This record gives sequence, structure tokens and C-alpha cells, in this order.
Amino acid sequence: AQSVTQLDSHVSVSEGTPVLLRCNYSSSYSPSLFWYVQHPNKGLQLLLKYTSAATLVKGINGFEAEFKKSETSFHLTKPSAHMSDAAEYFCVVSGRGSNTGKLIFGQGTTLQVKP
Amino acid sequence: DAGVTQSPTHLIKTRGQQVTLRCSPKSGHDTVSWYQQALGQGPQFIFQYYEEEERQRGNFPDRFSGHQFPNYSSELNVNALLLGDSALYLCASSLNYQGAYGNQPQHFGDGTRLSIL
Repeated sequence: AQSVTQLDSHVSVSEGTPVLLRCNYSSSYSPSLFWYVQHPNKGLQLLLKYTSAATLVKGINGFEAEFKKSETSFHLTKPSAHMSDAAEYFCVVSGRGSNTGKLIFGQGTTLQVKP
Repeated sequence: DAGVTQSPTHLIKTRGQQVTLRCSPKSGHDTVSWYQQALGQGPQFIFQYYEEEERQRGNFPDRFSGHQFPNYSSELNVNALLLGDSALYLCASSLNYQGAYGNQPQHFGDGTRLSIL
């Protein structure tokens, strides 16, 4: 079975400082991993995806994530937070085997950006 | 290029009623998935449709059913509504889930907010 664990339910940063949102995964297959962002009362927007190519993945809006197999981690980072980054972030693993087709979500991390 | 569109945006029903939610996939996509997102939670997979058949199902009761039409659009039906069915229902589309073995990202609509009184 596949699963993801987001290690922080809430992260607060000041505008202009770095962002780190932590995610660990569990998968008996080579995983496909995604980060999605959800702004209030909106759907989910894909930030970036890892599908066994480069381990450092660049996404939209300056976000990037690094796949570390030895640590089973896929942390999301951004060098400098902007007020518009305040949202809910989900780490997601794509199901394999009997779970093919399913996206399996973490519980989410709320990012607060203070002026 | 239109993305995933869902209707209606909001819906209020009472316990025991039935509801139908609708989804049009992103242009060029042929696979539609439905998710339920309770307040403060991550989305939970309900089921996925490809070639007008249910291909994969999550841990949801038979009260939840769906359909995919030849133009790839989809409906989610929920019968005998319970208070616990109150949630944001998200539709996602992607391309050819089997061929891609889950590597294709799913694109989400803005959801239908369902409230049960």
C-alpha cells in the first residue's frame, strides 16, 4: 500500500523568508509523487510532480521539491515566501498495483505567511 | 483551453434526499475521478471512470454511484443523503490512467460544496 505523512499540520513564516513543508512517503513501488496547493474555497492546483526522472523537481511559482529515496522524503521548499503563498498544501502519492488510478493524499499543511 | 468544470458550485439538501453532481473534464482528457473532501481533511478517493466504466473504487458505500458519458463528462450520484455526506466534492481529470500507470497528474475542478441539513 502507498501512503504519505505530512509532518506539520501548520507552518508559519514571514514574508520573504524560506518555506519548508515536510512530507514522508511509503510505497512498495517506485513512487509518483505530487504537491498540490488549495486556496480557500478553490480546487487543487498542481505545483509539481516527481516521476522517477530528476530527483530535484522544479514547479510553478518558485516552488521545488527534492526526492530522497534513502529518507523516503519529498519535502517542498521555496526560497522566499510571498503573501499569496498562504494556502493549504497537500503531498500526494499515486496509487500502484491494486490502487492504480487513485491519488492518496496527506492530511495537508496550512501555510501562514505573515507580513 | 477550458479546465475541469463542475456544477453546481453549491448545493443544499436534506437527509434522505438524492443528489447529482456534474463534471466536464479538461480538453483532451479521457479519465475522470471523484474525491470527497471533508472540512479540514485531505481529499478521499471515491471512484474513477475510464471508457464509460468504473475502473477503480475507494471505500465508499453503494449509495455513491457514477456515470461517464461518451464525451468523457461524468456524474456523481449520492442516494439517501446523510449529514456526514456534507463535504466538498472534487472532480479530477487525466489522460489514459492505465497507459500511464498513475504518472499522469490529475487536474482538479473547483468542486461542489454539498451541505446536508
